[in-house]
Amino acid sequence: DAGVIQSPRHEVTEMGQEVTLRCKPISGHNSLFWYRQTMMRGLELLIYFNNNVPIDDSGMPEDRFSAKMPNASFSTLKIQPSEPRDSAVYFCASSLSGRNGYTFGSGTRLTVV
Amino acid sequence: SQQGEEDPQALSIQEGENATMNCSYKTSINNLQWYRQNSGRGLVHLILIRSNEREKHSGRLRVTLDTSKKSSSLLITASRAADTASYFCATDGRAAGNKLTFGGGTRVLVKP
Repeated sequence: DAGVIQSPRHEVTEMGQEVTLRCKPISGHNSLFWYRQTMMRGLELLIYFNNNVPIDDSGMPEDRFSAKMPNASFSTLKIQPSEPRDSAVYFCASSLSGRNGYTFGSGTRLTVV
Repeated sequence: SQQGEEDPQALSIQEGENATMNCSYKTSINNLQWYRQNSGRGLVHLILIRSNEREKHSGRLRVTLDTSKKSSSLLITASRAADTASYFCATDGRAAGNKLTFGGGTRVLVKP
């Protein structure tokens, strides 16, 4: 298995633009998580899905953030419009049942200028 | 808010020495996990210890859990330069809606 695959690896965009981050979880894992990591706030859980259904999106900072999981092998995190304070590394992780160890992707480093 | 808090925030040791870091948490947990993150990379799962377990080993790693003190420790024995990384504890408990929440991490530098 290639692990959790995230794209793009790096994204630089101008303020106000739409940004879409993508994630392919490990085949067979039924839980998927989006985290954001910054120096100031550490690792924050934004949203997680169980069996493709969003379970808890309380960590999503604003309405500018949205996430979808149309099927078991794909998820997107969208920011529209993006702002400089959204600059961070965004990680996707997957797990079997959510109570075992998570497997993280390599992350997307987002810079909004 | 962060459930787990690691101590120390940073640790510098010589290769071959042991490294110990601690994690404290606030509310009841189902399990506690430790992860490693190398610079610029994603987190890698190291070990999971359940609330009814007290100690667990994996290779050069030893994890303890004291639920009465709401604390855990991670010991890396005979450290190597390749162990240089940040180490995070993460907890999964009902108060957090069974979500995995991470502490701020301990940065470990192993000098050759």
